[in-house]
Order: sequence, then C-alpha cells, then structure tokens
Amino acid sequence: QKEVEQDPGPLSVPEGAIVSLNCTYSNSAFQYFMWYRQYSRKGPELLMYTYSSGNKEDGRFTAQVDKSSKYISLFIRDSQPSDSATYLCAMRKWEGGKLIFGQGTELSVKP
Amino acid sequence: SQTIHQWPATLVQPVGSPLSLECTVEGTSNPNLYWYRQAAGRGLQLLFYSVGIGQISSEVPQNLSASRPQDRQFILSSKKLLLSDSGFYLCAWTRDGSAEAFFGQGTRLTVV
Repeated sequence: QKEVEQDPGPLSVPEGAIVSLNCTYSNSAFQYFMWYRQYSRKGPELLMYTYSSGNKEDGRFTAQVDKSSKYISLFIRDSQPSDSATYLCAMRKWEGGKLIFGQGTELSVKP
Repeated sequence: SQTIHQWPATLVQPVGSPLSLECTVEGTSNPNLYWYRQAAGRGLQLLFYSVGIGQISSEVPQNLSASRPQDRQFILSSKKLLLSDSGFYLCAWTRDGSAEAFFGQGTRLTVV
C-alpha cells in the first residue's frame, strides 16, 4: 500500500466551477499536509499547508484535513483557466525524514 | 534569502554512461535534502533523502546513489545509466519545524 494515494485524473472542468482534489494517507505520523501546484516542466510550488485537522482558506483555495479519516482535500472556487496545472498533495513528519508526494491530479479548466 | 541551485537543466546521455547531478542550497544550514524523479504524467517518486552530512536514506532500490559531501550539497550519481533512468529529476530541501519544501528547477534526463 502506498503511503499517499491521489487520483491522477485527468480532471476537466468549465471555468467558474468548484474543483475538489483529494488524497488519502496511511501513516498517522504525518504532521504537515501540503498542496503543491506544478506547471509543465517546472518544479512544484507550494500552494497551501496545514498541520491540524480542519479548514484553512486562502483566497479561492481551501485546504481541508481530517486526521481521523486520514483524508485531505483542496477546493478551488471560481476556477480559472490559469489554474490548469498538476496538483500534488504532500505530507511529512514534524522533524526530518521523508517528504512524500501523491501521484498528482492533472487539472484542466476550460474557458 | 534561501536559494537552491540544480544543474544541468537538460541532459542527454547514452546507455551505460555515468551520471552526476548536483544540487546546492544557499542561505540556510543543516537542511533536509531530497532527490525525486518524475516520469511523464506521474507524481514525484522519492529516491533519496538526507538529514545531515553523510546520512543518506534510499527509498527505491536501483542503480542510482546519492552523496552529501557538504552540509548544503547533494549529489545524485550512477555508474551506468539505463533507459529506464530517463525522467525529470528534482532536488528539494526542507527545514525541521517548517512545512514548505523548496525545489530546484529540475534536470530533464534522457537516456538514449
């Protein structure tokens, strides 16, 4: 079983739609939960992070963590064509150690 | 400010040739360092990580190796490349107690 599971998609939505991206994990020692965005042929860029259960909002983006279910989500409101990219969830422990990524979900927002 | 340098950006190598990719970090000390490989349309596969000089953890058995000769230098090597080693290689660093990982711009390796 992989430590982090993410549906690779691809996911195609019309402009203005609400997008929901999800990951599940198996290691209860993970403390940091992150979402990265990656454009083609570039390194990933951090979108949001959280280290507790609940919601965290930043503009059109909301990150949600449910530690009891080992499940994290990223919601994108009023999606734009510029949001088209691959979105990767990532997790790590508090100190040192592995930084594990999900497989990434390829998102396409159509005008 | 912290920066991470990774080179070269693009590399085409014949099967059986050696490989050396270098990554250096500036502006921080004792970072956690990582090498990832990303195949086309896939996620980031963790290859190696290091929490200190000379401390290397290998995640995937393969013909690659990593070394950390200095605190802020991380090297990915191979003695003989295989076709399956082709991919996008990314170096990254993190700091204990901080969530964010900072990535280099990546090396696109094509083994022919």
